[in-house]
Amino acid sequence: QSALTQPPSASGSPGQSVTISCTGTSSDVGGRDFVSWYQQHPGKAPKLVIFDVTRRPSGVPDRFSGSKSGNTASLTVSGLQAEDEADYYCCSYAGINKFVVFGGGTRLTVL
Amino acid sequence: QVRLQESGPGLVKPSQTLSLTCSVSGGSISSGYYYWTWIRQNPGEGLEWIGYIYNSGSAYYNPSLKSRVTISVDTSKNQFSLMLTSVTAADTALYYCARDLAGGYGNMDVWGPGTTVTVSS
Repeated sequence: QSALTQPPSASGSPGQSVTISCTGTSSDVGGRDFVSWYQQHPGKAPKLVIFDVTRRPSGVPDRFSGSKSGNTASLTVSGLQAEDEADYYCCSYAGINKFVVFGGGTRLTVL
Repeated sequence: QVRLQESGPGLVKPSQTLSLTCSVSGGSISSGYYYWTWIRQNPGEGLEWIGYIYNSGSAYYNPSLKSRVTISVDTSKNQFSLMLTSVTAADTALYYCARDLAGGYGNMDVWGPGTTVTVSS
């Protein structure tokens, strides 16, 4: 059982926006601004798309954005494209006892 | 551009020790403030953080695996390694090495392609 809770699936049509949630506790998501999001295509290694809640690594389209409210972080993918279909994992720093924890992943389907 | 590559046996017998190495190319493992990380993914499941090591040699582990895990670094070979003892079928997974940005806060910006380890007699 994952430390962070994500919906197992999400979907949207091309051009639409989709938001994926990630719920933790005050010990991880809510207590620190160290939430990251990873995109994983089948058979590939995960790719960092958001870090420090809202920051985008170089090369990641600005269609990807992150936010946080309380113990819940969110990833929004705007202007959905077919290539966005993938599994998405949230991740949070959880302090000096647990260090790094992941969500269970959300499969995003582009209809 | 830093690249990571995992290597090690693809098959380990139950109760034995799993040993993997991650080779770093395109940069020195000693430079910067990075945490060198191991993560695994059980077949068809999500990601599990195993632990990481700073270039000083200080290592930190997932509490659920701590009693069986050792991560070490060899700066002369520009590599870091994972040892997992007393393996069972539950340790069968795709193992990734990755680089966590400064602070070790879960921001893994570079990943290896992964290596599959099967625990079976």
